[in-house]
Amino acid sequence: SQTIHQWPATLVQPVGSPLSLECTVEGTSNPNLYWYRQAAGRGLQLLFYSVGIGQISSEVPQNLSASRPQDRQFILSSKKLLLSDSGFYLCAWALGGAHLQETQYFGPGTRLLVL
Amino acid sequence: RKEVEQDPGPFNVPEGATVAFNCTYSNSASQSFFWYRQDCRKEPKLLMSVYSSGNEDGRFTAQLNRASQYISLLIRDSKLSDSATYLCVGGQTGANNLFFGTGTRLTVIP
Repeated sequence: SQTIHQWPATLVQPVGSPLSLECTVEGTSNPNLYWYRQAAGRGLQLLFYSVGIGQISSEVPQNLSASRPQDRQFILSSKKLLLSDSGFYLCAWALGGAHLQETQYFGPGTRLLVL
Repeated sequence: RKEVEQDPGPFNVPEGATVAFNCTYSNSASQSFFWYRQDCRKEPKLLMSVYSSGNEDGRFTAQLNRASQYISLLIRDSKLSDSATYLCVGGQTGANNLFFGTGTRLTVIP
């Protein structure tokens, strides 16, 4: 069965510090991968998605970036955090490639507080 | 206009009650619909997909009305454990992203 991991679970960072969040998926190959942010009391905002290694699509302009160095690894980064970057960051996967399917499955999330 | 809109609630219902949530979508080309459940401070988890003919999973029934562009979720015989936020989701088949509603909060009261 497939599993998805995210770490860290929680993070408190000062404004202006860098960020690196990691997401890995097990039990599947060539998944579509997604990064979402959920601000307090708000809906899910898609930040990035990837259909393959090195292929990143950005949905909203921001000071965040994403990378996919390996098939089942997705990284969310920032060089300088802003207060507005606080939120609940969720990684999700879906079957991709020849098995393209829409259903997305979420990791446990990283709760980020920027002070 | 948001792609998917739902009543944020909260819905407070007694145990054993039947409760229904509606959600509207703006893109008539949308083909895929889902309901997710999100517990407080946890990730969303897939509750059920929504098929054109409607589908049922135990106490949960999902329906799609394409003419009016809404989907619904019916929960019968509510349990305390049903307390959560229910997210409505829609998107186009094969698209690389889905649109999530902001969620409807349900609290089942003893």
